[in-house]
Amino acid sequence: SQQGEEDPQALSIQEGENATMNCSYKTSINNLQWYRQNSGRGLVHLILIRSNEREKHSGRLRVTLDTSKKSSSLLITASRAADTASYFCATDAYNQGGKLIFGQGTELSVKP
Amino acid sequence: EAGVAQSPRYKIIEKRQSVAFWCNPISGHATLYWYQQILGQGPKLLIQFQNNGVVDDSQLPKDRFSAERLKGVDSTLKIQPAKLEDSAVYLCASSLGGKAYEQYFGPGTRLTVT
Repeated sequence: SQQGEEDPQALSIQEGENATMNCSYKTSINNLQWYRQNSGRGLVHLILIRSNEREKHSGRLRVTLDTSKKSSSLLITASRAADTASYFCATDAYNQGGKLIFGQGTELSVKP
Repeated sequence: EAGVAQSPRYKIIEKRQSVAFWCNPISGHATLYWYQQILGQGPKLLIQFQNNGVVDDSQLPKDRFSAERLKGVDSTLKIQPAKLEDSAVYLCASSLGGKAYEQYFGPGTRLTVT
């Protein structure tokens, strides 16, 4: 079963705008990871946030984690056309031996 | 550093035929994963290896799917016989360890069953 559910399913913005994607999950986690997938390609790891962290930054990416609400958000600032891709959250659930469970993904389109 | 290699990239077969996919993980990565990604969905783990032992194959349809990782390096995933619903992208990933490590994904094999 899918652990993470993402919202929105699709997002279309103009270059330079910020994009926010949300992920909700059901069980306790060790960490939560975000991945990007360009059309027809494999997934690329973006960022990992541990269960005892609340916020993490990497370049134009900002991830937050609220374990009380079992939710995470990914913010991409000053988006570029090259950011067009599908974004997936993946949870490393507690007592699951490191197995990642992926959400359905958010399809981001950044128009130049 | 070379990434995760997969072959073939594309495969079209008829239902009831068999097919095999190959994966070569990043050198030194002990953990290897096979995922199935159906169009419009996130990847679903089929099987996880730690070296050459199976850690998790709870979502592998064992009546038709099999996988092995001989010598703890390369891996093959086989489907026999294939069904229409097996049409998907099969992704291989590897990581240094099984927990809290990022996984590196290969480009995937797109399987179409007609």
